[in-house]
Amino acid sequence: KQEVTQIPAALSVPEGENLVLNCSFTDSAIYNLQWFRQDPGKGLTSLLLIQSSQREQTSGRLNASLDKSSGRSTLYIAASQPGDSATYLCAVKDTGTASKLTFGTGTRLQVTL
Amino acid sequence: NAGVMQNPRHLVRRRGQEARLRCSPMKGHSHVYWYRQLPEEGLKFMVYLQKENIIDESGMPKERFSAEFPKEGPSILRIQQVVRGDSAAYFCASSRDRPANYGYTFGSGTRLTVV
Repeated sequence: KQEVTQIPAALSVPEGENLVLNCSFTDSAIYNLQWFRQDPGKGLTSLLLIQSSQREQTSGRLNASLDKSSGRSTLYIAASQPGDSATYLCAVKDTGTASKLTFGTGTRLQVTL
Repeated sequence: NAGVMQNPRHLVRRRGQEARLRCSPMKGHSHVYWYRQLPEEGLKFMVYLQKENIIDESGMPKERFSAEFPKEGPSILRIQQVVRGDSAAYFCASSRDRPANYGYTFGSGTRLTVV
């Protein structure tokens, strides 16, 4: 059974800092991995999707890496801004299941002025 | 280019009533998934549907919960005889294809409160 863990559970950084969020998964037989952002009381916004054959994906100040063999992904945020404050969720889709995503419990990020 | 539309955004029900949550997938998406987020917990898969078919309902509680995705109209998640433990945010996602090569798009959710 796939389990996804995100560390740290919460993080507070001053504006302008670069930061790394971590995601680990127990079963390396994944189809893809997706990073989402969730604002309080809101839905999920997709940030980056990494297929199992890829090593990383970039979008603006965000860079996500994937090391499938070690069961790890990182989300790197450069030059953080207060608007980046949100909960960041990592989700994996296994090759064995055609449907569901398995989510981590998220990292709650606060970027302070 | 509307995304995944869920309604209502907030729903309050008394114990024992029925709750109906609606989800219209993105244009061009024929695969719909329902997830539940309990307070202070991660999102948990409930059910996966294609038009008129339930493909995977392994995450659905055995009783009181049902889902459908008719040929015409939105997908419906129905909870009968709600209890306080059903209070949660229910999210719908859609994808263009079955293995979700292009990822999933989520709606804004329906927050159900059972009083």
